Amino acid sequence: QVQLVQSGAEVKKPGSSVKVSCKASGGTFSSYAISWVRQAPGQGLEWMGGIIPIFGTANYAQKFQGRVTITADESTSTAYMELSSLRSEDTAVYYCARWGANYYDSSGDPNWFDPWGQGTLVTVSS
Amino acid sequence: AIRITQSPSSLSASTGDRVTITCRASQGISSYLAWYQQKPGKAPKLLIYAASTLQSGVPSRFSGSGSGTDFTLTISCLQSEDFATYYCQQYYSYPLTFGGGTKVEIK
Repeated sequence: QVQLVQSGAEVKKPGSSVKVSCKASGGTFSSYAISWVRQAPGQGLEWMGGIIPIFGTANYAQKFQGRVTITADESTSTAYMELSSLRSEDTAVYYCARWGANYYDSSGDPNWFDPWGQGTLVTVSS
Repeated sequence: AIRITQSPSSLSASTGDRVTITCRASQGISSYLAWYQQKPGKAPKLLIYAASTLQSGVPSRFSGSGSGTDFTLTISCLQSEDFATYYCQQYYSYPLTFGGGTKVEIK
């Protein structure tokens, strides 16, 4: 059973960057896409982007284009999300989530998220 | 981007009730829809994918239906552990999008 474990909470100043990690254990890493989803306090879920580790190519929601970088390290089964130019509105819990079906079974098409990491709270405050 | 309108945004129900939550997509998404349950302070948990396929380990009182633009999540007999917020998600096309959520509260 694959498990995703994320790095710990962060407090950042406006204008700085944050990098959150997501380590997979107990299953296949490379052929399953990893997405990042955030949830502002009391709000809903928002997809930021994702990566397929075996190819190393990422795609991003237009809202975050230019500010977010998603990478993956196959050697350590770890995905990363870096968000730059932080502002107070970026205060949120950031989740990583793996696709429910691997790239080949889904013909490369996006699919549902399962499992999810435990979430990482990023607080942006001066 | 495909917009997902989820309703109601909240509801009050009693244990044993039948509960229905709907999601409407701004364009046809075939059956590319998933449902999640989220409890406070926890990550979302997958309940249903492909509109009606129950994820392994999820109780059979949960069911999903629909295709195209209109989808429904039904909880046939609400249990105490089902009080939570529910989200739908379309994976028909990028950007992947979620409904706004439905909070199921105790009446």
